[in-house]
Amino acid sequence: EVQLVESGGGLVKPGGSLRLSCAASGFTFSSYSMNWVRQAPGKGLEWVSSISSSSSYIYYADSVKGRFTISRDNAKNSLYLQMNSLRAEDTAVYYCASGVYYGSGSYFDWGQGTLVTVSS
Amino acid sequence: SSELTQDPAVSVALGQTVRITCQGDSLRSYYASWYQQKPGQAPVLVIYGKNNRPSGIPDRFSGSSSGNTASLTITGAQAEDEADYYCNSRDSSGNLEVFGGGTKLTVL
Repeated sequence: EVQLVESGGGLVKPGGSLRLSCAASGFTFSSYSMNWVRQAPGKGLEWVSSISSSSSYIYYADSVKGRFTISRDNAKNSLYLQMNSLRAEDTAVYYCASGVYYGSGSYFDWGQGTLVTVSS
Repeated sequence: SSELTQDPAVSVALGQTVRITCQGDSLRSYYASWYQQKPGQAPVLVIYGKNNRPSGIPDRFSGSSSGNTASLTITGAQAEDEADYYCNSRDSSGNLEVFGGGTKLTVL
């Protein structure tokens, strides 16, 4: 069974930094692309970033490009999101999600999320 | 990039059938996946691909697609189906992911 456990969320001031982690188990982590998806309070889901299994391909949403950095450590079965220059609008629950990509589609398995609050 | 458009809210009488739709140009090239999210919980995959249900998802959930529109159908909606539903696919480039704005389903 896929298990994804996020950590590292909390309260941070605007302009500050935070590093999220996601511990994966129950599947062959090194074979899967991984993603971060966020959800602002009372709002919908927003894809943030993805990283391929070997870190060769990395993509970001325009809203976080240049401020957030996704990375992974396959030896530790872990995914990370370094978030810099945080803004109030980055306040959200951040979900770690493993991605299954096939031909003409994809889908995610999700962690339970970690809350990031950006406020002075 | 591309967008996926969903109706913000839909209601259905208990035991009746409801269809939730998702429109976007990328759906001409990529299948949608559908997620159910209840308050305070993480999303749960209910449909992916042409019409595939993960194990544990009731067979009253089904999916279909035509042109730029993907649909999630619940046949015989139950009270426990009341939730937010999100569609998701790759964008037209195939590199990025995009989510619809979500549909709040109310079971009357």
